[in-house]
Amino acid sequence: QLQLQESGPGLVRPSETLSLTCTVSGDSISSSTYYWGWIRQPPGKGLEWVGSMFYTGTTHYNPSLMSRVTISVDTSKNQFSLRLSSVSAADTAVYYCARIDYGDSFDYWGQGTLVTVSS
Amino acid sequence: DVVMTQSPLSLPVTLGQPASISCRSSQSLEHSDGNTYLNWFQQRPGQSPRRLIYKVSNRDSGVPDRFSGSGSGTDFTLKISRVEAEDVGVYYCVQGTYWPLLTFGGGTKVEIK
Repeated sequence: QLQLQESGPGLVRPSETLSLTCTVSGDSISSSTYYWGWIRQPPGKGLEWVGSMFYTGTTHYNPSLMSRVTISVDTSKNQFSLRLSSVSAADTAVYYCARIDYGDSFDYWGQGTLVTVSS
Repeated sequence: DVVMTQSPLSLPVTLGQPASISCRSSQSLEHSDGNTYLNWFQQRPGQSPRRLIYKVSNRDSGVPDRFSGSGSGTDFTLKISRVEAEDVGVYYCVQGTYWPLLTFGGGTKVEIK
């Protein structure tokens, strides 16, 4: 049974960098044919795709966030990570990690983690 | 960029009655490989989203057959044949045709009258 679990600080100060990790169990990121990625959801609002990565290091980012986002992988730990720099209150959201089946999009999701940007 | 527009924003329904959600894309979602990558998700209150439908009309494993998807080109529909209490939540369409860009619709909230 594939499972994804997000982890990281729940509070980040404005202008600093948000960092989250997704730990995958039940599938190997490095042997998988799937992409892996991040989606976010501000409180009471809709869903927004943040970015995707393949275990080889290929990445794709939402153009609206591209200048601030980095997704990376640690195949030895079967984890992938999100870094979002220069955060503001607008980046407050529940962040989900997910497996991505190309155009069929997100077939497995983590439970999500709330990140609040506040001083 | 492709824009996904859902309607209505809110859909009050009576238990046992049908419900229909519309999703329209600003550009055709027919891919050059012959597939149309339009997906539907359900997000129950307090839960992570769950994919219901992929490639317009294919139900995911475990999805009740009261859920069905249809459409082509730029116009798509998710139908619930008989709404049950557990169907309350927000429904999103997502396009994957313009991979690697993945675009969500704004969501439709289904609630019981």
